[in-house]
Formats: sequence, structure tokens, C-alpha cells
Amino acid sequence: DADVTQTPRNRITKTGKRIMLECSQTKGHDRMYWYRQDPGLGLRLIYYSFDVKDINKGEISDGYSVSRQAQAKFSLSLESAIPNQTALYFCATSPGLAASDTQYFGPGTRLTVL
Amino acid sequence: DQQVKQNSPSLSVQEGRISILNCDYTNSMFDYFLWYKKYPAEGPTFLISISSIKDKNEDGRFTVFLNKSAKHLSLHIVPSQPGDSAVYFCAASPKDNFGNEKLTFGTGTRLTIIP
Repeated sequence: DADVTQTPRNRITKTGKRIMLECSQTKGHDRMYWYRQDPGLGLRLIYYSFDVKDINKGEISDGYSVSRQAQAKFSLSLESAIPNQTALYFCATSPGLAASDTQYFGPGTRLTVL
Repeated sequence: DQQVKQNSPSLSVQEGRISILNCDYTNSMFDYFLWYKKYPAEGPTFLISISSIKDKNEDGRFTVFLNKSAKHLSLHIVPSQPGDSAVYFCAASPKDNFGNEKLTFGTGTRLTIIP
């Protein structure tokens, strides 16, 4: 079984709709992250959480919100989706405190906003 | 402002030959560098890393070279195998990236190994 799972894997929605992307992990890591990938731009950080009570904005948080329901669950919401939020979204986890700690990524959610 | 650049969007290499993927960075505060590999419909997976105190790190067929003065790193894969066909992301981290939230990714290079 995958250590980091994301649901849904693909989603098509319309402008103005609210949508939630979910991430679950069985790695026991405290740190979780949401990234988006756009063609020609690499991965950019949206939000991150160091534990259940800690939520922080990343580089591109406008238009997004998150919820850390438990150590294992971290959800990303688009309150009112717009077409330029069409992208590939990745959840990731990390075990600890060092910059050298590897991040473990989920398989991604491909979101299309029409 | 792209602080980590992978100027080759794609690269094709014959099986058995050496693959060289390049990455340039502009921020002199970057202290640690990583390569991630991504297959279609999967998330990136960690491949190899290097600290700025080193100029080379080797792991099996994969070697990363760091040239701090040129702000350049490269990933060498020898010999290249069909399973190496993937997108490779370079990533850079400053020294104070204790929460791993300051990781900056490059745009990726799609490597295709030709049998």
C-alpha cells in the first residue's frame, strides 16, 4: 500500500465551485505539505503543517485553504475555483527537522477548472 | 524569478550511454541540493543529494557533481537504462530550511532512454 495517498486522482470542476483535495499518510510523519506543479514552473509550495496545530502559508497560498484533521490527514481546499488553478497538486510528508530530510510525495491530483 | 533552472526541458540518450542532466541556481544561500525523479502518474521520489561541503556524491549508477563557484550541479547516470526514463527535478535548500518549507524546485528535465 502507498505511504502517501491522495484523493481524488483526477477532478474536473467549474469556475466558482468549492473543491477539496485530500491527503492521507501512513508514514507517521508530523510534517505535511501541499505543492502545485505547472508546466514550466516546477513545484511550488502552497501550504505546510508541522503538526496538527500548526498551519503555515507557502509561496502561493492565495485562493487556497487547508485543514490538518489529524497527524495523518491534510486537506487542501479551493474555496472558489478559477481556471488558473488548473494544475497537478502534490501532497508530501517529511520526517523531521533537517533540511536534508527527504520529502515523500503522493501520486498527485490532476485538477481542471473550466 | 526562477532561482533554480533546468534549461533543458528534455533529453534523449541511448541505452548504455551516460545521461547528464544539468541544473543552475542563482541564490548563493542554497546549501543543500537534491534530485527527485518522477514517473508519469506518480509523485516525485528522492534520488540523490549533495551538501555544499562536497563537490561529488555517488550512489550506484547515479553521481551528482556540484560546482559552487559556477552555481551549477549535474546528475550523471551511467549506464543509462530504460527504467531511467522519467522527469528529473533539481531542488535546492538554504541552510536555515529546518522545516523543509524553503525547498526550491527546478522546472524539470524529461529524460528518455532509447533502447
